[in-house]
Amino acid sequence: QLQLQESGPGLVKPSETLSLTCTVSGGSISSSSYYWGWIRQPPGKGLEWIGSIYYSGSTYYNPSLKSRVTISVDTSKNQFSLKLSSVTAADTAVYYCARQKKLPIFLDYWGQGTLVTVSS
Amino acid sequence: SSELTQDPAVSVALGQTVRITCQGDSLRSYYASWYQQKPGQAPVLVIYGKNNRPSGIPDRFSGSSSGNTASLTITGAQAEDEADYYCNSRDSSGNPWVFGGGTKLTVL
Repeated sequence: QLQLQESGPGLVKPSETLSLTCTVSGGSISSSSYYWGWIRQPPGKGLEWIGSIYYSGSTYYNPSLKSRVTISVDTSKNQFSLKLSSVTAADTAVYYCARQKKLPIFLDYWGQGTLVTVSS
Repeated sequence: SSELTQDPAVSVALGQTVRITCQGDSLRSYYASWYQQKPGQAPVLVIYGKNNRPSGIPDRFSGSSSGNTASLTITGAQAEDEADYYCNSRDSSGNPWVFGGGTKLTVL
C-alpha cells in the first residue's frame, strides 16, 4: 500500500522560505505515468494545487504561485520537496502531498497533511 | 478564483439522490475527478475518468459529463456521505490539476 508522509517545520516567519518534504513508501517515486505534487488548504477554505513534478524532474506550477515555488525530487531517497519563498500569513495552510496522474486526471494517494503557520 | 465552478452547498434527504455539479470550459475536453473530504481528514478520490471508482468506494457514487459540466451523483445518500466534495480537472492554460471551490453536502 502506497503511503505518503509530509514533514517540515510547522511554523515559518513572514518573508522566509517554507520547506516541506514528502516521503513515499510502499512504491517507487520513479513509477512511470505518475506525477508527485503539492496541494494546500487554508483553514476553512478550499483546495489549491501548488505544483507537481515527474521523477525525471519535469514540473508544472500553479501560475499564481510560480514565481515563489520550487519543487524538486530525490529518487534515491524516494522523496520530493516543496520550497515556497517570501511567505506571508496568506500562506498559512494545511499542505498535502499526493500522487497524481495527467490522463486521466486524478490524485489517488494523499499524505495526511501538515499545518504550516506563517507568523512572527 | 477557480476556473471550475461548484455550488457552495447542497443538501439531500437521507436515502435520496443528489447531484453535485462542476462547470468549466476545460470539461468540454477533459473528464473531472471528484474528491470527498471530511473534517480534519485528507481528501479521498471517489470518481475519476469517464466513471471509474477506486477500490473501496461504494457504487452509490457515480460520475457523468455533458458539455462544460461534470456531475457527481450519490444514489441513496447515507449519513456518512456528509462531507465537502471537490472536482478537479485542467485549467485553460493546460495545468492538469485545478480544483473547484468545493461543495458542502448536508445529509438531512
